[in-house]
Amino acid sequence: EAEVAQSPRYKITEKSQAVAFWCDPISGHATLYWYRQILGQGPELLVQFQDESVVDDSQLPKDRFSAERLKGVDSTLKIQPAELGDSAMYLCASSWTSGSMVTDTQYFGPGTRLTVL
Amino acid sequence: GESVGLHLPTLSVQEGDNSIINCAYSNSASDYFIWYKQESGKGPQFIIDIRSNMDKRQGQRVTVLLNKTVKHLSLQIAATQPGDSAVYFCAENPSAGGSYIPTFGRGTSLIVHP
Repeated sequence: EAEVAQSPRYKITEKSQAVAFWCDPISGHATLYWYRQILGQGPELLVQFQDESVVDDSQLPKDRFSAERLKGVDSTLKIQPAELGDSAMYLCASSWTSGSMVTDTQYFGPGTRLTVL
Repeated sequence: GESVGLHLPTLSVQEGDNSIINCAYSNSASDYFIWYKQESGKGPQFIIDIRSNMDKRQGQRVTVLLNKTVKHLSLQIAATQPGDSAVYFCAENPSAGGSYIPTFGRGTSLIVHP
């Protein structure tokens, strides 16, 4: 069964350092999402891509976060510099249809657990 | 949106009992809803979905009920098993300028005792 791949699974860094997370969606999925999930809460959307274009990044803290999906396949989320409050699980999800379809079921990867010291 | 705290609502049941997990959504314009199951250390896993033109949908051991009048969703799990222990999230897809931006609600922790 096809799955969304993410790496690394765990990352520990010191504040002010740069970190990067990688996501490979299910093959053929046009839409890719990055979420942040703080312990005890639901996932919060950071950025949504349709192929290589950003559909929504209104919740992405652009002063320190950046995301790209250059060839419309895999994606990288970067934080520079990391802050203590960035400690969270970063989840990637993908869906087959475009973001404008109602029934846009997302399939999630295992996430990257980030700890900022 | 709803404010959430560190302490999730928790539902404890005995193996074999039926479980009902509730969710209130905020946007009356939402027309698609999904339930996810999230086990410890893993990403959310799709369980079942429902569109706003329906009020009930059944899957294998799971049923989702939608009450649009009071903006309420519920997930019913029949004959709950220890493997059902997880955090359950509802998500709504409200339309935002033509794009559908999924919004997750507060999770509920289900604990199944053998």
